Amino acid sequence: GAGVSQSPSNKVTEKGKDVELRCDPISGHTALYWYRQSLGQGLEFLIYFQGNSAPDKSGLPSDRFSAERTGGSVSTLTIQRTQQEDSAVYLCASSWFTETQYFGPGTRLLVL
Amino acid sequence: QKEVEQNSGPLSVPEGAIASLNCTYSDRVSQSFFWYRQYSGKSPELIMSIYSNGDKEDGRFTAQLNKASQYVSLLIRDSQPSDSATYLCAVNIINTGTASKLTFGTGTRLQVTL
Repeated sequence: GAGVSQSPSNKVTEKGKDVELRCDPISGHTALYWYRQSLGQGLEFLIYFQGNSAPDKSGLPSDRFSAERTGGSVSTLTIQRTQQEDSAVYLCASSWFTETQYFGPGTRLLVL
Repeated sequence: QKEVEQNSGPLSVPEGAIASLNCTYSDRVSQSFFWYRQYSGKSPELIMSIYSNGDKEDGRFTAQLNKASQYVSLLIRDSQPSDSATYLCAVNIINTGTASKLTFGTGTRLQVTL
C-alpha cells in the first residue's frame, strides 16, 4: 500500500520568506509526527498529533514554527520568516497509535 | 539524563563479525522498543521491534531487551558493508498527563570494513 508521502521533496527559499511543508500519512494511522534532521545530526522531535487529542508541540523551536492536521489526516508544517538555521531535512512519520512509525522521504529545505 | 541514550560511534567492525549496538532508556514503564536503520541521505526504516524481555531474532538481526536494566540492544551477525548506516533506537516514553510517544536516541553510526 501507499506509504507516507511528503511534498515538496526539495525547497529552496530566501531568508525571511514563509514555507509550507506537507505530509500525507498512511491511511488509517492515528498518529503523525514531524521531525527535523540537520546535516549529520539525529532526529529532532518537533510536534506530534494523536487522533483528536491536543497536539504535543513541545519540540517546536520557536513561535515561527506551527503545524496543523486537518481531518485527522494530512498535515502542514509552516515556518514563518525562515532563517538560515532552519535549513534541514524535515521528516514526517505516521503510526497506528504509538506503535511502529513509518517515515516519509522528507523535505530538504535550504534557506539562502 | 536523556530519555533514550546511544553511543554515537562510529562503531567499526570487520566484515563477517558481529556488531553490537546498545541503547538505554529512562522510563521504567516503557513497553515498546524499536530499532531503525538510516542510510546517509535517506529516511529511517524499521529493522526490528521488541516488546518482551529476552531475545527476538530476524535473519541476521537479534534484538535483546532487559526491562529491569532498562537496556535494549541490536546484534547484527555476519556484518556486511551494506549494513554501514546509522542505527536509531526508539522507545515508547510514557508522558504523564499526555498520550505516550515514541522517542528516538541520537543514533549509532556503524561502519563495516572490508
